Parts: sequence; structure tokens; C-alpha cells
Amino acid sequence: GAVVSQHPSWVICKSGTSVKIECRSLDFQATTMFWYRQFPKQSLMLMATSNEGSKATYEQGVEKDKFLINHASLTLSTLTVTSAHPEDSSFYICSARPRPGLPHMDTQYFGPGTRLTVL
Amino acid sequence: KNEVEQSPQNLTAQEGEFITINCSYSVGISALHWLQQHPGGGIVSLFMLSSGKKKHGRLIATINIQEKHSSLHITASHPRDSAVYICAVDSGGGADGLTFGKGTHLIIQP
Repeated sequence: GAVVSQHPSWVICKSGTSVKIECRSLDFQATTMFWYRQFPKQSLMLMATSNEGSKATYEQGVEKDKFLINHASLTLSTLTVTSAHPEDSSFYICSARPRPGLPHMDTQYFGPGTRLTVL
Repeated sequence: KNEVEQSPQNLTAQEGEFITINCSYSVGISALHWLQQHPGGGIVSLFMLSSGKKKHGRLIATINIQEKHSSLHITASHPRDSAVYICAVDSGGGADGLTFGKGTHLIIQP
């Protein structure tokens, strides 16, 4: 089956530093990847939609200069949390949608998530 | 914007019981997902539905497009089924992300 990986699975950083999270589709190409955030005991919320070769589309209230998204290839999207602060501590999850023409192109496959703790 | 409601929010049952989790949404969709999230946070996609019914092992998912309602059933529940079950809808069918329900926290006691 389709596999999406995320790296790292968890990270602890100091306030003010930047953290990069990678999302990879391991056995399929994904023109669209999504980044979600989940605060404790809350539902997942879409942060941004990442399309290969173009700028990401951010949801209202998500600062694009703080959460930098790069989707440089059909199998890799990265989320960089810049100048992280304790309130950015959360569980970040990516998902990938297979490119049109591939099997199951209407669904999304989820990565295992990255738990970020900012001290 | 689609509003997704799940019920119940919390459910505790005994091993072997038949479990039903419900999901309703407010706007027409292209697909609905049932997801399972374990305590560590990892998410597994259980089903994607656009109509009818799907079955995988002890799990059954149904959707009624006209009523904007879906149910997830677990037969012969087991403690390892304990997790948060999340309903998510895909309103756009293209480049849109999903809208998630708040999840149902299921505990199956031995």
C-alpha cells in the first residue's frame, strides 16, 4: 500500500530556532500534499496545501512567513517552522494525494506525524 | 465551510460488543474518510467512501449521501480497537484539504 513518511517523528527545540519537517511519499508520486496541525485534545486542522512546483496555499490564520512550505519534487514536501515559540508546540501531520492518473488518486495517505515541543 | 459532527465523543464498551460511531456533515462532499488515531498520534486511514458501504475485516463503513451521514461499525470489538476514530470530509475532490470531526475516543475494556 501507499506509504507516507515524516521525519523527524519528534523534535524538541529552543524558542527562536527553526525546525524543518519532511514529508515523503515513498512509493507514489504526489502532486498535492497537505499539512495539518493538531493541538492536544483537538481535531486536526488544515494549515496549508502544497502543490509541487508552485507556492503553497495557506488557510486563514496561518502565517505563511512563519510556516514555510516547499514542495520541490513529486515525493517530498517540507514544512519549516521559523523562529519557533512554545505556542507552536503541536503535532504536525502531512498527507499526500496521488497525482492524477495513479490508482486511488481521490484519497489521501497520512504520514505518522511529527511531535514538536518548543521550550 | 463544511461542519462535521461526530457522536458520541467518548465511548467505553466491553470486549465483544458491537460499536457504532456516527458522523454528519453539512455540505455535499466528494468523499468521506474514516481515520484511526492511536495514542502516539499516528493516523491510519480506514476507509474512503463516496457512496454505499465498505467492509474491511471487522470494520464496516456506510454513507448516506442524501442524509449527509456516515457510520463506522466495529463488530466483535477488541481492546486493540481502542483509539480515537475521526471522520473527515473532502468537499472539493481536488486540491482541497479535509475537514475533520473532533473524533470519538473509544475504549474497549477486556
